[in-house]
Amino acid sequence: SQKIEQNSEALNIQEGKTATLTCNYTNYSPAYLQWYRQDPGRGPVFLLLIRENEKEKRKERLKVTFDTTLKQSLFHITASQPADSATYLCAMTYSGYALNFGKGTSLLVTP
Amino acid sequence: NAGVTQTPKFRVLKTGQSMTLLCAQDMNHEYMYWYRQDPGMGLRLIHYSVGEGTTAKGEVPDGYNVSRLKKQNFLLGLESAAPSQTSVYFCASLAGTANTGELFFGEGSRLTVL
Repeated sequence: SQKIEQNSEALNIQEGKTATLTCNYTNYSPAYLQWYRQDPGRGPVFLLLIRENEKEKRKERLKVTFDTTLKQSLFHITASQPADSATYLCAMTYSGYALNFGKGTSLLVTP
Repeated sequence: NAGVTQTPKFRVLKTGQSMTLLCAQDMNHEYMYWYRQDPGMGLRLIHYSVGEGTTAKGEVPDGYNVSRLKKQNFLLGLESAAPSQTSVYFCASLAGTANTGELFFGEGSRLTVL
């Protein structure tokens, strides 16, 4: 069966450091992976998409890597700020029509 | 742009009552979705639609019905609400294809079933 796993433990880091979140998946092929941000009481907001033939994608302070051998994506926020505190969700396409989501990882950036 | 609008934002029901959640999008998207989000469970797909007049079941469809009579609207109905349906419901529409498109979410509808 298809699975998406994210670290359920919250990640606490100090402002200015790089935050790294992990998304592992099984049985998605072809693989298209997306990252979303969700703030408390709000709907998720799209951040980045990475395709299986792409190793890395960047957007401002965000970097996503994709290793189809390990079946893993890493999501990095460099020079993290308290405003980056949120829950980050990874999602993958299934059936060609919809996306499955991981349970999300909560990030807390402290000053 | 309003984007994706959900109504109502909050609702309290008694077991056995019925209700409809309305989702409206103004981006002319073909694909629309209803998810529910529960603590520790993440977002789970209830039903989705790939175009006006079409609907399909997602991961957790039992106890829910949907309709897509107009392209811009996607309705989620609960015929006989149960406490297990207490949740936050999110509607989303898709820009592009499911493989490479971007989901736009509403702000959520918080439902409590007593």
